[in-house]
Amino acid sequence: DAKTTQPTSMDCAEGRAANLPCNHSTISGNEYVYWYRQIHSQGPQYIIHGLKNNETNEMASLIITEDRKSSTLILPHATLRDTAVYYCIVRVAWGYRGNQFYFGTGTSLTVIP
Amino acid sequence: ETGVTQTPRHLVMGMTNKKSLKCEQHLGHNAMYWYKQSAKKPLELMFVYSLEERVENNSVPSRFSPECPNSSHLFLHLHTLQPEDSALYLCASSQELYNEQFFGPGTRLTVL
Repeated sequence: DAKTTQPTSMDCAEGRAANLPCNHSTISGNEYVYWYRQIHSQGPQYIIHGLKNNETNEMASLIITEDRKSSTLILPHATLRDTAVYYCIVRVAWGYRGNQFYFGTGTSLTVIP
Repeated sequence: ETGVTQTPRHLVMGMTNKKSLKCEQHLGHNAMYWYKQSAKKPLELMFVYSLEERVENNSVPSRFSPECPNSSHLFLHLHTLQPEDSALYLCASSQELYNEQFFGPGTRLTVL
């Protein structure tokens, strides 16, 4: 699976949009971009995933560049409860033995009142 | 109960104790996972079960023993642990093997 690069930490003002970048320059054509987050001392929570089209759900939007070498997770109106570590993961979507989700160190987002 | 539940939420044990962690998923999923998360480290996948068959065992010491009696329940039996085994132990499940995973709240384990 391709590797990802994320900033170590970011701050965002409450009520503003949080834009979390992820670089995945070696992504393959059949690999999806997944985002999870982990609030302190809780289990990771699935947020969204996509292949090449932009995706939106009730939690966030995922913008993938046309060359698919980078993406941005957007939390449109950040709240204090969005303070968490955000993980960007790229992998093929279908399951097979060894096709793990590798949770790296992620981006620690702090939403500031 | 909905989602993935784990008990206990906190556990303190001595190195000579035997204890078990329990995970239950109420999502009708076919695959279940144990992860370990030590302080300031990424999640480490420990064991994977698909349809009650163990399909992954990522070089985990034998003092950790998983059990999956059915597709809804997963246990992690612990014996003669070391202080460095203190960590957050997370259970997850997915509809199919290695699809999107849903995590439980974790068990915070402290080994004295």
